[in-house]
Amino acid sequence: DTGVSQNPRHKITKRGQNVTFRCDPISEHNRLYWYRQTLGQGPEFLTYFQNEAQLEKSRLLSDRFSAERPKGSFSTLEIQRTEQGDSAMYLCASSYPTVGYTFGSGTRLTVV
Amino acid sequence: QQQVKQSPQSLIVQKGGISIINCAYENTAFDYFPWYQQFPGKGPALLIAIRPDVSEKKEGRFTISFNKSAKQFSLHIMDSQPGDSATYFCAASKGETSGSRLTFGEGTQLTVNP
Repeated sequence: DTGVSQNPRHKITKRGQNVTFRCDPISEHNRLYWYRQTLGQGPEFLTYFQNEAQLEKSRLLSDRFSAERPKGSFSTLEIQRTEQGDSAMYLCASSYPTVGYTFGSGTRLTVV
Repeated sequence: QQQVKQSPQSLIVQKGGISIINCAYENTAFDYFPWYQQFPGKGPALLIAIRPDVSEKKEGRFTISFNKSAKQFSLHIMDSQPGDSATYFCAASKGETSGSRLTFGEGTQLTVNP
């Protein structure tokens, strides 16, 4: 296990379609985070899990967004009825208390 | 509300020079201040971090200076190299230090000319 893995790396979808991204964290990390990063900006927090419990959601996470982390292992982020404004890099990170974040390489979403 | 403000937006430095990036924060509950380096197409990678009980931390060519009363912290890159060319983000979190949600600055695009 060498890091946080995200799939797919790139996704192009038509407006209105649903998309799902997957994140596999570092196995011993109990916290998992999703962030969104648009061009020229810093990452913005979306949500985080401690084990399988979703403990916090940003108001950026509209009703069209849902995240899950079944069994406290991998996580999925689904966006329903995508809009052009959803185009961004979606970053996953994992951590353990007293150990800093490790980010994945992200999934770049383009909505056309 | 932008809780962590970063400057400059872009920075050009000659090889061997010192790169300085500054951040200011508003929330006095923040107690962990990391810096991240990001290359195109990659996620941010932790460079160095500091807690408010110290005023400076050095790791190799990278130093964080922290001014608690001014609510400011900065990253200094000594002997800057072309391989340091990347986007740098400061961040802050509160509560459970390194395991908590991060608030990022807007980023600084650093270019080191050979």
